[in-house]
Amino acid sequence: NAGVTQTPKFRVLKTGQSMTLLCAQDMNHEYMYWYRQDPGMGLRLIHYSVGEGTTAKGEVPDGYNVSRLKKQNFLLGLESAAPSQTSVYFCASRRHKSYEQYFGPGTRLTVT
Amino acid sequence: SQELEQSPQSLIVQEGKNLTINCTSSKTLYGLYWYKQKYGEGLIFLMMLQKGGEEKSHEKITAKLDEKKQQSSLHITASQPSHAGIYLCGADLRETSGSRLTFGEGTQLTVNP
Repeated sequence: NAGVTQTPKFRVLKTGQSMTLLCAQDMNHEYMYWYRQDPGMGLRLIHYSVGEGTTAKGEVPDGYNVSRLKKQNFLLGLESAAPSQTSVYFCASRRHKSYEQYFGPGTRLTVT
Repeated sequence: SQELEQSPQSLIVQEGKNLTINCTSSKTLYGLYWYKQKYGEGLIFLMMLQKGGEEKSHEKITAKLDEKKQQSSLHITASQPSHAGIYLCGADLRETSGSRLTFGEGTQLTVNP
């Protein structure tokens, strides 16, 4: 099993550009999460999904959109990137009756 | 997160020394999760605590959840360079649907050989 994978690993965007981050898990987990990690701020939840076809807002959803068309994939989109979105993005997933989250390796995004 | 505070923010110890990291919540902890993160990598699950007074150990790392379930400590005995990294606590505060975890800011541990 690959666990949780994220693509790309690194990306540099210019202000106003758009991009999509892909998270994939092969553990048949129901729940999936997108976090951002910034110095001094810890991990903050952007959006999450409790199942295929459903998404919900987390703590810091503004400027991001998500989709979960397939159970194994959770996409995070930035429609118009801003320098404030420079961060490391982590995806995580978990089974329905377990609170243990499995994390991907992260995507380092820089917006200039 | 202001709901979950970790201390200290960073820690530098000499190899072989013991150390403790604390995670304090302003609310009742229904579950407390300790993760470790190496620089540039994702989070690795260490252990989970749910019951007040519970204590778990894995190799030289011991975690406890106090009786009132509002604080947890992570103790490393005889630290080694391999223990270096960022330790994060994540808490189930049972506030919202989706069973989300709230994370602390992390404690950066450096172990000097």
